[in-house]
Amino acid sequence: DQQVKQNSPSLSVQEGRISILNCDYTNSMFDYFLWYKKYPAEGPTFLISISSIKDKNEDGRFTVFLNKSAKHLSLHIVPSQPGDSAVYFCAAKDPQGAQKLVFGQGTRLTINP
Amino acid sequence: ETGVTQSPTHLIKTRGQQVTLRCSSQSGHNTVSWYQQALGQGPQFIFQYYREEENGRGNFPPRFSGLQFPNYSSELNVNALELDDSALYLCASSTRGRSYNEQFFGPGTRLTVL
Repeated sequence: DQQVKQNSPSLSVQEGRISILNCDYTNSMFDYFLWYKKYPAEGPTFLISISSIKDKNEDGRFTVFLNKSAKHLSLHIVPSQPGDSAVYFCAAKDPQGAQKLVFGQGTRLTINP
Repeated sequence: ETGVTQSPTHLIKTRGQQVTLRCSSQSGHNTVSWYQQALGQGPQFIFQYYREEENGRGNFPPRFSGLQFPNYSSELNVNALELDDSALYLCASSTRGRSYNEQFFGPGTRLTVL
C-alpha cells in the first residue's frame, strides 16, 4: 500500500532550466509534506516543507506547491544547478501517533551542464 | 552543533544472527526515529523513541526492537536476521513540540545479510 508515490524514477534537466519533481499521495489525513534530498553515502537532507493548510511555500530557488484536491505536490527548482543532482524524496507526515514520515520511492535528478 | 551520527557505517552478518546499530541524536533533540531503506525504495518507518519509550511503530515484526538512553542516543536491535533485512538503516532526530519539527537524518548504517 504505497501511500506516497513518485512516479518518475529519474529526471534529466539542463543547467539553468527549471526542474519539476512530482509526488502523489492517497491519505487525505496527511497534514505536513516535506522534500528531502539525498546524495550517495549520506543521509537525506531536509530541503523544504509545506503545511496542508497552505498551497505554496518558497525558499530561495526551491518552491513547493500543494494541490489538496488532486492530492498532488510538486517541487520546483529554478534555476537548476549541477549541485542539485541527487535523489529527491517526497515525504508526508501521518498526524496519528508518532511523527512518522511516509516516503515516496524517490526521483533521481541529474542536472546536465 | 553536532549532527546525527550512526555507527557502524557498514556491517555484514549472516542469516540468523543478531545485530545492534547505534545512533547519537543531534544536540538538543529528544526524539529518535529509525527507518529502513531498501535498495531503490524510500525510507520506511520502523519506530520512534521519545523519553526512552517507544512512541509509535511501523509495519515491522517484533524482532526489530530498540532502546533510547537518557542522553537521547538510541539503539536498533534486529534478531534472527533474514536476507531481506539487508538495507540502509537511517536514524533521524527531532524535537517534540506543539508544531511539527523537521527530522534530521544521520548517514545511515549499511547492513548486508548473507
